[in-house]
Amino acid sequence: GAGVSQSPRYKVAKRGQDVALRCDPISGHVSLFWYQQALGQGPEFLTYFQNEAQLDKSGLPSDRFFAERPEGSVSTLKIQRTQQEDSAVYLCASSQTGGQGKTQYFGPGTRLLVL
Amino acid sequence: GIQVEQSPPDLILQEGANSTLRCNFSDSVNNLQWFHQNPWGQLINLFYIPSGTKQNGRLSATTVATERYSLLYISSSQTTDSGVYFCAASGTYKYIFGTGTRLKVLA
Repeated sequence: GAGVSQSPRYKVAKRGQDVALRCDPISGHVSLFWYQQALGQGPEFLTYFQNEAQLDKSGLPSDRFFAERPEGSVSTLKIQRTQQEDSAVYLCASSQTGGQGKTQYFGPGTRLLVL
Repeated sequence: GIQVEQSPPDLILQEGANSTLRCNFSDSVNNLQWFHQNPWGQLINLFYIPSGTKQNGRLSATTVATERYSLLYISSSQTTDSGVYFCAASGTYKYIFGTGTRLKVLA
């Protein structure tokens, strides 16, 4: 079956613009994760959904970041009033469950550049 | 929280050589994965291995949970093995990634 997909793959935004990044997880996967990867670094956890419930948003850097998964499948990460420090690759991952014992599968990422 | 350290940070090999990448973690974990990030940025899942040993072709991995480390072995390396290898560990669902090992395989 299809893997995790993300769109757009690349996004250039002017500072102050709002952006929305989309993630389509693997069909049937209950858990969905967003990570942020800065250049030369490993990914860092942003937020976690189990079905439509956002169970952990402790990694969101500021209140300008907002994520939703209203029907328990597709998720959107929204960044309001983008800043240059938001430039990074945003990765989405899904797994069958969010607890122990399940592999996380990653999408190709959205590369965001804020000018 | 869990801390993950990887070594070496950089590795250059001639095609055909073998290598061992190491991942140390600071606390007990219930989930551990090895990934290969290719030059296009895609994170490819290599192994889910919170304990024990697994093999997949030229790659194998061993995690010794009681000693809090995991090893990734690459045998007969190929130029397509180039990229960054990440180890990620978690107690529950929140993966903590190491800073990666950047591997370059020369033809």
